[in-house]
Amino acid sequence: LAKTTQPISMDSYEGQEVNITCSHNNIATNDYITWYQQFPSQGPRFIIQGYKTKVTNEVASLFIPADRKSSTLSLPRVSLSDTAVYYCLVGLILTGGGNKLTFGTGTQLKVEL
Amino acid sequence: NAGVTQTPKFRILKIGQSMTLQCTQDMNHNYMYWYRQDPGMGLKLIYYSVGAGITDKGEVPNGYNVSRSTTEDFPLRLELAAPSQTSVYFCASSYRETQYFGPGTRLLVL
Repeated sequence: LAKTTQPISMDSYEGQEVNITCSHNNIATNDYITWYQQFPSQGPRFIIQGYKTKVTNEVASLFIPADRKSSTLSLPRVSLSDTAVYYCLVGLILTGGGNKLTFGTGTQLKVEL
Repeated sequence: NAGVTQTPKFRILKIGQSMTLQCTQDMNHNYMYWYRQDPGMGLKLIYYSVGAGITDKGEVPNGYNVSRSTTEDFPLRLELAAPSQTSVYFCASSYRETQYFGPGTRLLVL
């Protein structure tokens, strides 16, 4: 499974855009890139997933360069409630609706007023 | 839908005791997973299942057992509890790219 490297922590202020970059140098051809968010005492929650180029949903954007060796999660106009740990995962989407992912230590995002 | 539910929420075990962590999902997902999360760390996969009757080991399976007799249920068994198994345990199920997690079980082994 591909290993990921991301910053341990980041600080931001309300209303700013936050970009969290993840490196995954040994990503395999069939691997997808997935980001999860985790609040204290809760299970992780899916944010966004992509394979290449750019993906956008109602909460975030995911930028993936052509070589796919890194990816950037972009959170527009963060608020205090975005304070959480963000995990970048790389892995397979398995036939039948499953996936095999490895969680790293994540990035602790702290948003202040 | 209740999603993924886990019981108990919290448990204290003595060294050598055994227990079963329960996990149920009502989304008819084929895939289910068990993770453990130690303080300040990411999640580590213990076991996963691709459907009723089929299970496989993850990264850290030693000291645990699982079974999957139905699509809905995926219990995790600790046979001889050890202090190293003190952790928060999360169960999840998935549909394609999205894993849905339960609220977790906090286990303390003393």
